[in-house]
Amino acid sequence: EVQLVQSGAEVKKPGESLKISCKGSGYSFTNYWIGWVRQMPGKGLEWMGIIYPSDSDIRYSPSFQGQVIISVDKSISTAYLQWSSLKASDTAVYYCARRYEKYFDYWGQGTLVTVSS
Amino acid sequence: QSALTQPASVSGSLGQSTTISCTGTSSDVGGYNYVSWYQQHPGKAPKLMIYDVSNRPSGVSNRFSGSKSGNTASLTISGLQAEDETDYYCSSFTSSSTWVFGGGTKLTVL
Repeated sequence: EVQLVQSGAEVKKPGESLKISCKGSGYSFTNYWIGWVRQMPGKGLEWMGIIYPSDSDIRYSPSFQGQVIISVDKSISTAYLQWSSLKASDTAVYYCARRYEKYFDYWGQGTLVTVSS
Repeated sequence: QSALTQPASVSGSLGQSTTISCTGTSSDVGGYNYVSWYQQHPGKAPKLMIYDVSNRPSGVSNRFSGSKSGNTASLTISGLQAEDETDYYCSSFTSSSTWVFGGGTKLTVL
């Protein structure tokens, strides 16, 4: 069974750093791109970027380029999304999702990130 | 990359049909047959309902169907049921080899 299991909810202060994770199982992790999607409170889905675990090829949405870093550790089938200096506006639920051809077929359960002083 | 345009809300009566539109440009919706639709219940992860404009994943009810004309894609839900009342998002592959979502549509079943 394909599963993407994300790390738990985080509460951080503005200016702090953070790295959240997404662990894949039940399939060949290195053969499928993993994407990240943001959902701010009460708002819609926003596509952030995508990484290919086999060679760490990354594509970012222009809206998120330079704002976050996407990475992967294929040895443990885990993708990451990280911030070096969080802002209150980063408060959101973040989803990872597996890309299959040109769509996203399996999704993680989401990680709630709350940034508040 | 601008978000695809969806109506904020649509409604339909139990047992009837409703359609949600998703308008983009020739650089996304109009340029590729790579539109997908996702259903999202409150507090849950999105669920794939339609891919490549009109294909249904295994396990998705055949009451859900998709189509496209020019720069506008559509999701039609027939035989509306109470459990269909939730949020729906379209998405498209783009000419920049990225993806873009629509703003989302809240479906109300009357």
